[in-house]
Amino acid sequence: SQTIHQWPATLVQPVGSPLSLECTVEGTSNPNLYWYRQAAGRGLQLLFYSVGIGQISSEVPQNLSASRPQDRQFILSSKKLLLSDSGFYLCALQAGGPYEQYFGPGTRLTVT
Amino acid sequence: AQKVTQAQTEISVVEKEDVTLDCVYETRDTTYYLFWYKQPPSGELVFLIRRNSFDEQNEISGRYSWNFQKSTSSFNFTITASQVVDSAVYFCALSEIAFNKFYFGSGTKLNVKP
Repeated sequence: SQTIHQWPATLVQPVGSPLSLECTVEGTSNPNLYWYRQAAGRGLQLLFYSVGIGQISSEVPQNLSASRPQDRQFILSSKKLLLSDSGFYLCALQAGGPYEQYFGPGTRLTVT
Repeated sequence: AQKVTQAQTEISVVEKEDVTLDCVYETRDTTYYLFWYKQPPSGELVFLIRRNSFDEQNEISGRYSWNFQKSTSSFNFTITASQVVDSAVYFCALSEIAFNKFYFGSGTKLNVKP
């Protein structure tokens, strides 16, 4: 079965600092991978998705970027965090077809 | 444009009551999928059900049931005899065939009180 790992689980970073969140998946090959952000008490906002190594589609222009250096690795980065980047970041995978996405445990980011 | 609307922001019920969570969607596609997810306080989203646009048969799984009505573009979720463990945020989502993207509703927070 598929497993999604995200780290760190929680993170507190000052404004202007860099960010790197990592998502790795197991139990599947060539999945579609997604980064979502959920602000406190809000819905899910799709940030990036990837259908393969090196292929990134951005949904919302902002100071975040994503990379997929390996088939089962998806990284979310920022050079300089903003207060508005605070939120709960979820990585998801979709193992082919328009079927359900499976979500990782999430990273709770607080920018101070 | 694709859109999913969950008009109920928050619902509170007493244990053992039945509760229905509403979901209305918009899409120009003739083929699409609809989903429900549960997000407990821990934060991780849990997949509950998937329906495709050609299958309007209602589904029941234990205390959970789903009513899909294409004529009204609705995919409602009913919990029968609610329990405290059902307390969570529930999201409805729509997926297109072509782009493998999900469109999530804003979620409904369900509070089940003992």
